[in-house]
Amino acid sequence: QQQVKQSPQSLIVQKGGISIINCAYENTAFDYFPWYQQFPGKGPALLIAIRPDVSEKKEGRFTISFNKSAKQFSLHIMDSQPGDSATYFCAASIGNFGNEKLTFGTGTRLTIIP
Amino acid sequence: GAGVSQSPSNKVTEKGKDVELRCDPISGHTALYWYRQSLGQGLEFLIYFQGNSAPDKSGLPSDRFSAERTGGSVSTLTIQRTQQEDSAVYLCASSSDRSSGNTIYFGEGSWLTVV
Repeated sequence: QQQVKQSPQSLIVQKGGISIINCAYENTAFDYFPWYQQFPGKGPALLIAIRPDVSEKKEGRFTISFNKSAKQFSLHIMDSQPGDSATYFCAASIGNFGNEKLTFGTGTRLTIIP
Repeated sequence: GAGVSQSPSNKVTEKGKDVELRCDPISGHTALYWYRQSLGQGLEFLIYFQGNSAPDKSGLPSDRFSAERTGGSVSTLTIQRTQQEDSAVYLCASSSDRSSGNTIYFGEGSWLTVV
């Protein structure tokens, strides 16, 4: 059972454009929603995360939008740059005190073209 | 070390052989996780350690998979009688449970190819 569905599988965006990746979850007990960025040959690295008590969180060019009623959340990358080209994973967990397990989406391969 | 360290970084093994994958978590991190990443797939949870105990091993795919952690630090993931479907990147991660808002840090993974 895939509890976190991610789309699109791949995305090509022109430099300076907005990249948008979407995720939907099923388990209403999830209360922590991180996004991870992974470059080839590297492990995933935490990019930004949100809890369901807020509808939006922004860190620099990266924004998470969260819709609790729809059980959806998305990552927006503003002014996308070639260095943003990577695979992005959304994830969800219950709690965030070092003892949770993350359920990941299947990933989006983002390519930013000049 | 500064980050999560995994070894070997690459391993090619023959079908039926046993393999051991090692993880050195960030110093002081009490929580340690193993995930598996297959080509084109997301990350699949395998097992979680809190200290030396594994309160959640629900993701281990079969009894050929086992893991242990000693001294609250180094962990070893063992795959017995490897099969071709075991080919994947095995990622280790660690986090601290001393405060809220923890970050889970991943290593660079061990790429396993079973031929």
